[in-house]
Amino acid sequence: DTEVTQTPKHLVMGMTNKKSLKCEQHMGHRAMYWYKQKAKKPPELMFVYSYEKLSINESVPSRFSPECPNSSLLNLHLHALQPEDSALYLCASSSRPGQGFQPQHFGDGTRLSIL
Amino acid sequence: LAKTTQPISMDSYEGQEVNITCSHNNIATNDYITWYQQFPSQGPRFIIQGYKTKVTNEVASLFIPADRKSSTLSLPRVSLSDTAVYYCLVAFDTGTASKLTFGTGTRLQVTL
Repeated sequence: DTEVTQTPKHLVMGMTNKKSLKCEQHMGHRAMYWYKQKAKKPPELMFVYSYEKLSINESVPSRFSPECPNSSLLNLHLHALQPEDSALYLCASSSRPGQGFQPQHFGDGTRLSIL
Repeated sequence: LAKTTQPISMDSYEGQEVNITCSHNNIATNDYITWYQQFPSQGPRFIIQGYKTKVTNEVASLFIPADRKSSTLSLPRVSLSDTAVYYCLVAFDTGTASKLTFGTGTRLQVTL
C-alpha cells in the first residue's frame, strides 16, 4: 500500500472534456510533484509545489492546470487534452523540496486515455 | 546537455548479485542520487539514496565515486520478485535551478 493516494486509477476522456486528477498524502510533506510517464519511458517532471506554492513548471502546456488547495492535496485539472497526453500520471510527495535526505514517495498513478 | 543513461536491460539468475550503473554529468553539487524500483502499473518505490562514497541499507548498496559522474546500485542475491525497472533520479544544475531527471531506466529480469 502506498502512502500517497491517487484517484481515479483509470480515466478515459474525450478531447473536449474537463476532468481532474486528485492526489492526497497525510505524511505532513510540504513538497508535492506531478509526473507524466509514457509507456516504457521514465517519469518526466511536470510541476512541483513547495509549501503549497507552485515552484516549478517544466514548460507544461496550459491544458494541464495544477492546484494545491492545502498541504495534503494536489489536483491536476485537465482540459482539451490531445491523444498524445495519454499516459500514466504520477503524484509524489517529499518532506520538503530538494532531494537531500528526502526521498519522494509516489502514488500508483492515474492511467489516462484520451479518445 | 544534462543526460542520465543506464543500460536498457539486464538478466540475472536468482541468488546472484546485480550491479546497475547510472551515468550522469553536471549533477547539482548539493543534491543526492536516489534509486527507485518500479513494477508494472505501480509508482516508483524508493530503494536507496546517497551523496558520495558508499551507502548500504537492508536491501541494497549504492556506490558513488568522488567525481559523482556515475552511481552504481548493487542488489545482493536477487530473487524473482526483484524483476522490475530500476531508475536513478538526479538533480542537474542548470545554473538557475536544479532540474530533477530520472535516468533512462534498466529493466532487470531475474530467472531461476
